[in-house]
Parts: sequence; structure tokens; C-alpha cells
Amino acid sequence: DIQMTQSPSSLSASVGDGVTITCRASQSIGSYLNWYQQKPGKAPKLLIYAISHLQSGVPSRLSGSGSGTDFTLTISSLQPEDSATYYCQQSYSTPYTFGQGTKVEI
Amino acid sequence: QVQLQESGPGLVKPSETLSLTCIVSGGSISSHYWSWFRQPPGKGLEWIGYIYYNGNTNYNPSLKSRVTISVDTSKNQFSLKLSSVTTADTAVYFCARRDTSGWWSFDYWGQGTLVTVSS
Repeated sequence: DIQMTQSPSSLSASVGDGVTITCRASQSIGSYLNWYQQKPGKAPKLLIYAISHLQSGVPSRLSGSGSGTDFTLTISSLQPEDSATYYCQQSYSTPYTFGQGTKVEI
Repeated sequence: QVQLQESGPGLVKPSETLSLTCIVSGGSISSHYWSWFRQPPGKGLEWIGYIYYNGNTNYNPSLKSRVTISVDTSKNQFSLKLSSVTTADTAVYFCARRDTSGWWSFDYWGQGTLVTVSS
């Protein structure tokens, strides 16, 4: 299985701050890297697919980058509604696997 | 707008079989891959498996011996069966659609349903 490791596991920042979450895969996964946001009691919501493609309706203050094994999710100007847990997920091969999550507190 | 809705018992006894159904509305189940995930309380996400509308399946090896996913295109729904459950199978179970972009992300999700394994 491909292991996905996120860092940090949690972070606290203020409205307007920029934050970056890192995701590392245990082997190269090409561009098969997706990011999800999950709020308490809710289903995950797809934010970004294929490293950097924003899902429809996702605000442009979110962006993704990276290649091979190292990827980042950046929120350029944190808003109150960004308080959530963020997961990376590889879709390069089954079993599909997720990072352990990064909890963002504002 | 595609919507998914999980249904099934919220309480299952140890050693019994967990059974859930996901009803798809607002779109056809055909020509898509459909998945099940789970999330133990306070923990991360685990992919259980997927099924194509023609019945082809792919399961997580960690659960493969106990999992069956099936599809009923006439009812626009697919189902999950997990046998011989233990307390470790207590989790929120989600159904989701794999996107058709070729990047295999999951773009539509059900709200999730909590299944507790307890006697």
C-alpha cells in the first residue's frame, strides 16, 4: 500500500493568514493526488484533484502544488469557514489511501 | 445535482453482517465507479472498495475476505456487506462516486451513516 503522511497534524492561525499543509507519499504517485476538506459530522468535500485542479465552486484562495512524492495545499488568506480537517488522498493505485489529516483551527 | 444517501441498521451485533445501501439520485448509476469508505470515530478515512455499474469490483485487501459490494442498476443503488464484524468495524460509513476525469478523485459523497458494533 502507498502510505500518505501529512504534516502538521494540526495548526492554529488567524483570519487572513496564509497556511500550508504538506503531504508526502511513500512512492511516486504522479499527479494522482487529491485534497479534501471535512467538517465535523459531515462528509469529505473534494477541494483539489490532480495536484492543482480546483473543483468547481472551491475558492481560489486554495491552491495545490507538488510532484512525484511531495505535495502541498495552501490557503492564501484564511477565512473562518476554512476551519476543518484536511486530507490528502492518492488515487494512483488501489487500495486508495489518505493522509492522517490536518486539523486547521482559526 | 447528484445526491447519495446511505441507509441501513445503525447497530450490528459482533460476528454478524453489516449491510448498507447507497441510493443515487439526480443522475444515473451507469458509467461510473461507486465506492464505500469508513471513518472510525475520531480517526481518518479508509477506502473499503468500489464497484463499476457493470458489477466489476475492487476491494481493499485489508477487508477483502469480509467485503461484498453489489449494484442494482434498476434501482440506481449499490450496497455494502461486511461480514463477521467486530467492535473495530464501528465507524461512520460513506458512499461516494469516483469522478470521470481520469484522476479518480471522489466528487460526490453521501452524508454518512454511523454503524455501531455492539452486543
